[in-house]
Amino acid sequence: EPEVTQTPSHQVTQMGQEVILRCVPISNHLYFYWYRQILGQKVEFLVSFYNNEISEKSEIFDDQFSVERPDGSNFTLKIRSTKLEDSAMYFCATRTGDSGANVLTFGAGSRLTVL
Amino acid sequence: ELKVEQNPLFLSMQEGKNYTIYCNYSTTSDRLYWYRQDPGKSLESLFVLLSNGAVKQEGRLMASLDTKARLSTLHITAAVHDLSATYFCLETSGSRLTFGEGTQLTVNP
Repeated sequence: EPEVTQTPSHQVTQMGQEVILRCVPISNHLYFYWYRQILGQKVEFLVSFYNNEISEKSEIFDDQFSVERPDGSNFTLKIRSTKLEDSAMYFCATRTGDSGANVLTFGAGSRLTVL
Repeated sequence: ELKVEQNPLFLSMQEGKNYTIYCNYSTTSDRLYWYRQDPGKSLESLFVLLSNGAVKQEGRLMASLDTKARLSTLHITAAVHDLSATYFCLETSGSRLTFGEGTQLTVNP
């Protein structure tokens, strides 16, 4: 079964450092998302991406965050200067199109720990 | 503001019992998802409900959607321990999919 692949699975970083989380979407999927889940809390929407641009972003997705799809395969989330409160599990999710029962498929997640 | 409210947030039940989880949402979306998450794991799709009155069943789980009431339910029949997990509903609005807070289900032997 096709999978959404995320790397790294776990990253530990110092506060103020830049972090890049990577996602390889399922090949025929067109819509890409990043979500985060702080331990024990709800899953929060960060950003959606379609046709090489951001479709929508949440209040959490401030200037410290950016997304891109640099090579047509990887979909990346960059956090420019990490804060302690950025510690969370980050999930990438992708889906095919806008109609029908297109299921949102999640990757296994990247756990980010900011010290 | 998009709001998706689930209740209960915590549910402890005995094996063999039935129970229903409720999901109230705020938009006029006609598409609603249910996902399952095991501790420390990713999110697994359970159901996609596409229209008013939609009902889907898989094993001991059955989901339904009432778009007029903006309510979806996830019914558990004759619960077994393997169903212990956190269950999320998601609603769609534009290109944003918003999660409910999740219902943490524990099924006790």
